[in-house]
Amino acid sequence: DADVTQTPRNRITKTGKRIMLECSQTKGHDRMYWYRQDPGLGLRLIYYSFDVKDINKGEISDGYSVSRQAQAKFSLSLESAIPNQTALYFCATSAVSGNEQFFGPGTRLTVL
Amino acid sequence: AQSVTQLGSHVSVSEGALVLLRCNYSSSVPPYLFWYVQYPNQGLQLLLKYTSAATLVKGINGFEAEFKKSETSFHLTKPSAHMSDAAEYFCAVSDPLLGGTSYGKLTFGQGTILTVHP
Repeated sequence: DADVTQTPRNRITKTGKRIMLECSQTKGHDRMYWYRQDPGLGLRLIYYSFDVKDINKGEISDGYSVSRQAQAKFSLSLESAIPNQTALYFCATSAVSGNEQFFGPGTRLTVL
Repeated sequence: AQSVTQLGSHVSVSEGALVLLRCNYSSSVPPYLFWYVQYPNQGLQLLLKYTSAATLVKGINGFEAEFKKSETSFHLTKPSAHMSDAAEYFCAVSDPLLGGTSYGKLTFGQGTILTVHP
């Protein structure tokens, strides 16, 4: 079984809809991250959490919110989706002592 | 603030040829450096990492990278390309200092798509 899972893997939605992307991990890591990937821009950090009670904005948090329900679960929400949020979204985890991150398979989101 | 620049958004090589993917970084302290690979429709997989030990780092699938502080570079190489190496490659930098402003966070380059021709 995969260590970092994301649901759904693909989602098509309409402008203005609320959508939630979910991430679960079995690695026992305290730190979790959400990124979006756009062609030619690499991965950009949306939000990160260093433990259940710690949530921090990344470089592109506007229009997004997150919830850390447990050590193993970190959800990303788009309260009112817009077309320029069409992208590939990745969840990642890391251990407290390390800088290496482990990535989920990604969620491809299309906002029409 | 840390930053990463990958020179060349697309690199094309013939099977069996040398692969060279370029990465330059900017950091106020000697950083940790990473190369990740992304195969189509998959997440990112760690190829190798530099964490202030040996400057020549060997990774999976025959890849290696050399940390050159004087050039602020961490270029990725493979002596002989294989068709299965076709993917997108990302260089990333992290602050190694526990308590540093970017500790635990990765800053990624824009990515380089590697194409391997028969």
